[in-house]
Amino acid sequence: AQSVTQLDSHVSVSEGTPVLLRCNYSSSYSPSLFWYVQHPNKGLQLLLKYTSAATLVKGINGFEAEFKKSETSFHLTKPSAHMSDAAEYFCVVSDNEGGADGLTFGKGTHLIIQP
Amino acid sequence: DVKVTQSSRYLVKRTGEKVFLECVQDMDHENMFWYRQDPGLGLRLIYFSYDVKMKEKGDIPEGYSVSREKKERFSLILESASTNQTSMYLCASGPGGLKEKLFFGSGTQLSVL
Repeated sequence: AQSVTQLDSHVSVSEGTPVLLRCNYSSSYSPSLFWYVQHPNKGLQLLLKYTSAATLVKGINGFEAEFKKSETSFHLTKPSAHMSDAAEYFCVVSDNEGGADGLTFGKGTHLIIQP
Repeated sequence: DVKVTQSSRYLVKRTGEKVFLECVQDMDHENMFWYRQDPGLGLRLIYFSYDVKMKEKGDIPEGYSVSREKKERFSLILESASTNQTSMYLCASGPGGLKEKLFFGSGTQLSVL
């Protein structure tokens, strides 16, 4: 069985300051991990994914995430927040052993950017 | 660019009505999915399909059915809508494999009165 926990339902940062969105997972197998972003009134868009290659993954819009097996974490970071980053972010785990339904979504983190 | 199109952005229906939500993708993807998204609950899988005429139950299939008569189209059906089915419904498609990303539609906000 697999699960994913996004540790914060809301995160608020000032424009120009770093962003940290936290995600912990559990998986019986070697997982693939994803971060998706959902802007208001839009569908989800892939930010980045980890699939057992480099543990530091770079994504779009300056985001990156580091896979830490010892901590079972996959936190999303960005050095400097921009107003356009305001959105809902979802951490997703796949255990690679199930069928196409083997994706588990976190409950989401709402990122607020203060001017 | 891959496009996943959901037929309605907003829909208002009455309790007991039969509701059809349509989804079309233009990239010849094998896999298609229907999720519902509720505040604080994230995305929950209702049904998915590996191929034409194939369907599999997800985590919360009760009260829903699906149809996939053509590869590009995946329909979600609420046989008799109820107020607890008021939600945002998201359709997604993907080329197959759990390491591949999904492509999402913009969603349909359904209100059942």
